[in-house]
Amino acid sequence: DAMVIQNPRYQVTQFGKPVTLSCSQTLNHNVMYWYQQKSSQAPKLLFHYYDKDFNNEADTPDNFQSRRPNTSFCFLDIRSPGLGDAAMYLCATSRDSSSGTYNEQFFGPGTRLTVL
Amino acid sequence: GQNIDQPTEMTATEGAIVQINCTYQTSGFNGLFWYQQHAGEAPTFLSYNVLDGLEEKGRFSSFLSRSKGYSYLLLKELQMKDSASYLCAVRAPNTDKLIFGTGTRLQVFP
Repeated sequence: DAMVIQNPRYQVTQFGKPVTLSCSQTLNHNVMYWYQQKSSQAPKLLFHYYDKDFNNEADTPDNFQSRRPNTSFCFLDIRSPGLGDAAMYLCATSRDSSSGTYNEQFFGPGTRLTVL
Repeated sequence: GQNIDQPTEMTATEGAIVQINCTYQTSGFNGLFWYQQHAGEAPTFLSYNVLDGLEEKGRFSSFLSRSKGYSYLLLKELQMKDSASYLCAVRAPNTDKLIFGTGTRLQVFP
């Protein structure tokens, strides 16, 4: 089945210790997104890519970076996690709107990050 | 600015019908999505509206009025498994980005 995969599902890190979250997709979608979602809050977009064209949101902290080495994979790097970065991190993919369909986003299962 | 409003919580009884409202004020509009999210899981796509009117998909229907900045998700014949958060999201023109509301947590009781 075509899908969006995130690893690991649960990640525990220490305050200030860098961590990398990964996402892969078999949908061959050209757009990939990273969201942060805290409890009972809306998913907040951090970054998105059109192919390798990187776009970050104006309010995404500098502590967060992303890499997309190829169509299938995307990584979220948190350089120095703080307690406030504990959240669910969601990866999503879609076709871009030029393809003419409504292009819903497909989400991975998420990685729950705990910062000790 | 961008603002999407939904009720925080709703409750309903198994077998009943529930309507979850969403109002939006955004700088532009290019479609509205509804997603279902069970606790601790990823959102899953339910419906999409870009033109005014009702879209029906089995037990779920979604309605849009662009002039009023208003949508609703209608869930019929509620089942216990429908207990989840329902997220309304608006897409702005010339972008594939979505702006999500904070979601409505629906609890279905027997």
